[in-house]
Amino acid sequence: DAKTTQPNSMESNEEEPVHLPCNHSTISGTDYIHWYRQLPSQGPEYVIHGLTSNVNNRMASLAIAEDRKSSTLILHRATLRDAAVYYCILRHLANFGNEKLTFGTGTRLTIIP
Amino acid sequence: DVKVTQSSRYLVKRTGEKVFLECVQDMDHENMFWYRQDPGLGLRLIYFSYDVKMKEKGDIPEGYSVSREKKERFSLILESASTNQTSMYLCASSFLAVSTAQETQYFGPGTRLLVL
Repeated sequence: DAKTTQPNSMESNEEEPVHLPCNHSTISGTDYIHWYRQLPSQGPEYVIHGLTSNVNNRMASLAIAEDRKSSTLILHRATLRDAAVYYCILRHLANFGNEKLTFGTGTRLTIIP
Repeated sequence: DVKVTQSSRYLVKRTGEKVFLECVQDMDHENMFWYRQDPGLGLRLIYFSYDVKMKEKGDIPEGYSVSREKKERFSLILESASTNQTSMYLCASSFLAVSTAQETQYFGPGTRLLVL
């Protein structure tokens, strides 16, 4: 999978929006952008994914740059329960046999009450 | 909601013991995975399975084996536990998607194993 780059850590105040950036300058045309998060002492949890258009779900929004070389995960109103490590991952299209998820170091998000 | 459960949250074993880690998923997923997570190394795939009685080696299969006798259950076996197998073990499952690009993996809470 192509490489992604994320800041090691970020802080945000409770009940404010959070924008978590991810750079993926070597992304290919068939790579999907996935986000997972890992809460303390838990397994990773799927958050959202997209290809070209911005995506929204009940957990978050994903904004994808027009050139697809970067993306931003948006938590609209952070709560203390959103404190976690957030991972940005690229996944290839139609790569049977490449099911493993490759997690980098991610961004550790701290929410300040 | 998809639920993936693991038999233990914490486990302490002695060097040389045979260790069984159990994972059960309740969503009829074809794929199941075992990862280990270590500080600075991220998640590394040990084994995965596409179907009952099928298994494929991941990146670090040495010292491990797996068993999938039923679709919902995937077991990781440490044949003779060693101290370098002290780690967090994570089980995951997913549907057998046409493309991995849209596949979502669902993880269990993890088992923190300490080998003395």
